[in-house]
Amino acid sequence: DTAVSQTPKYLVTQMGNDKSIKCEQNLGHDTMYWYKQDSKKFLKIMFSYNNKELIINETVPNRFSPKSPDKAHLNLHINSLELGDSAVYFCASSQEGRQETQYFGPGTRLLVL
Amino acid sequence: LAKTTQPISMDSYEGQEVNITCSHNNIATNDYITWYQQFPSQGPRFIIQGYKTKVTNEVASLFIPADRKSSTLSLPRVSLSDTAVYYCLVAGMDSSYKLIFGSGTRLLVRP
Repeated sequence: DTAVSQTPKYLVTQMGNDKSIKCEQNLGHDTMYWYKQDSKKFLKIMFSYNNKELIINETVPNRFSPKSPDKAHLNLHINSLELGDSAVYFCASSQEGRQETQYFGPGTRLLVL
Repeated sequence: LAKTTQPISMDSYEGQEVNITCSHNNIATNDYITWYQQFPSQGPRFIIQGYKTKVTNEVASLFIPADRKSSTLSLPRVSLSDTAVYYCLVAGMDSSYKLIFGSGTRLLVRP
């Protein structure tokens, strides 16, 4: 009964490839997020979706695009991967209007060679 | 732009009380203070949340002074399993608010 799940757990790929990371939550939440955690452990918001509408779009490259087929899923698609994209990507969810209380997935460790 | 400041690391021994302080001088009226715990290879996990004064749950206590410019997470009688990174998050319900967790405090509990 995992609350927030991500796939894959590990992703190793080469520069220039396109990849997707999937996220699903079974908490009935209306808002989902994507975070990037770098090697220094800073956790920075990338996107969030509320009822299929993008409500936060940080200054991330447009190679990153979130896609939400329904409110239980928020996938992250990355085009033309670069070395600097190597990091751990976390998905999270919260109730609508309660972004201060989030539930995180286990993370996807992306390594770009 | 960092909204919170925490010590980079702390050491403790089993059975001791650990207090981790977070500074948030620019906290807004509608901001809540939330603490998360992150173990290696896992996502952050909600520990406790407060707005003002003191909050206590089965895991920790959170002390917030009247000016709300800082907060202190208190972990009573830590064990080895409390070794983790602890993040202080200051965020409001405003959907346009920037969510920045910062680098957290690495707590090492020794036997």
